[in-house]
Amino acid sequence: QSVLTQPPSASGTPGQRVTISCSGGSFNIGSNTVNWYQQLPGTAPKLLIYGNSHRPSGVPDRFSGSKSGTSASLAISGLQSEDETDYFCAAWDASLNALLFGTGTKVTVL
Amino acid sequence: QVQLVQSGTEVKKPGASVKVSCKASGDTFTGYDINWVRQAPGQGLEWMGWITPKSGYTGYAQWIQGRVTMTWDTSTSTAYMELSSLRSDDTAVYYCARFPNDYNNLGLFDYWGQGTLVTVSS
Repeated sequence: QSVLTQPPSASGTPGQRVTISCSGGSFNIGSNTVNWYQQLPGTAPKLLIYGNSHRPSGVPDRFSGSKSGTSASLAISGLQSEDETDYFCAAWDASLNALLFGTGTKVTVL
Repeated sequence: QVQLVQSGTEVKKPGASVKVSCKASGDTFTGYDINWVRQAPGQGLEWMGWITPKSGYTGYAQWIQGRVTMTWDTSTSTAYMELSSLRSDDTAVYYCARFPNDYNNLGLFDYWGQGTLVTVSS
């Protein structure tokens, strides 16, 4: 497996909670930490979550991450209009000796 | 503060080479790695490899090995990514990103360049 699998889209109304999954295997998510990136249109990705569940300074606490087995999740609580953009997970693959990115999820705020 | 500033847009013909630069400032960068990630139009992110400025040691993704060379110029604190034998499917935005050598969290990139669009077209 050369990529991590994410749903292509997710949506919610303002204030709702949205969850994005990231599915991998034993050599990547199963044995290494997961990082999440937010990418606004036309800009570079921004680190959102590192080490499965840690937020860098400045990232709102309505973003949270978790991991279980070979899957990880990003949750956005209290969805806001500015959260409408693309999200990618990433994890190192010890078998491929390469960093894998997720296929990406576009979040829409209805 | 830490900044990674990349070179400008490039247009190349198939078979040519391109060299993208990434100038680092705001930190010594001797304790970090620089990674390169690309993104084809409308597509996802694709990791290409890394360079350790302190040693010049590199590691490349298997799919790009043989066509890519990553270097570091200590005198100007600039990383370079050269891609050869360009094809149309190499058309993408190329990003440099800093890895703070947190080996418990591989793939943690805390600062990114603004991206460089490389278009390959005859």
